[in-house]
Amino acid sequence: GAGVSQSPSNKVTEKGKDVELRCDPISGHTALYWYRQSLGQGLEFLIYFQGNSAPDKSGLPSDRFSAERTGGSVSTLTIQRTQQEDSAVYLCASSLVRVGGELFFGEGSRLTVL
Amino acid sequence: KQEVTQIPAALSVPEGENLVLNCSFTDSAIYNLQWFRQDPGKGLTSLLLIQSSQREQTSGRLNASLDKSSGRSTLYIAASQPGDSATYLCAVRLEGNFNKFYFGSGTKLNVKP
Repeated sequence: GAGVSQSPSNKVTEKGKDVELRCDPISGHTALYWYRQSLGQGLEFLIYFQGNSAPDKSGLPSDRFSAERTGGSVSTLTIQRTQQEDSAVYLCASSLVRVGGELFFGEGSRLTVL
Repeated sequence: KQEVTQIPAALSVPEGENLVLNCSFTDSAIYNLQWFRQDPGKGLTSLLLIQSSQREQTSGRLNASLDKSSGRSTLYIAASQPGDSATYLCAVRLEGNFNKFYFGSGTKLNVKP
């Protein structure tokens, strides 16, 4: 696609429910990143994919968070048993792996846990 | 560990003024540095990418410079406009670890009409 696409753009859920957030990176971009941004805060790294594998999951805050990527393209971030502190904007970004690759972000998925 | 700092955290200027935003980093072994703009409730938009071998990049009214040895980059905005109001973030990528980006916390710019 022309840009990084994320869905849903907004999600309101009740505490304890599971949610799935989707990211469709720029076509041909093999590197994919998930970040979280809480209100008024900076970017918090969650996970990095190279192709379908995730060599760096160090930012996932707990085992309630997981992510996968299939076909070297679309990625899904899953949050199980959501808590109020999970409320944030979840941003996806992609880049070419080749040296010098520029990072491009989607518009984000705003998650509100009631 | 790479630390990226952006000062000031917020800046308010009258329309038409030229201004400079600062980004400093502790590990000078960077591969490249990227400047982004973020509007409220939106994702990050890439503005300029500077490779470590470059000293500056220009796009329209924006000019970004890089001084690796001193661990600094500046984003110069000429003839500022109210539409430039946003948060500006810088991010660095280290040599030998191209997969990790280190972000500053941003400078929130307000250009008053």
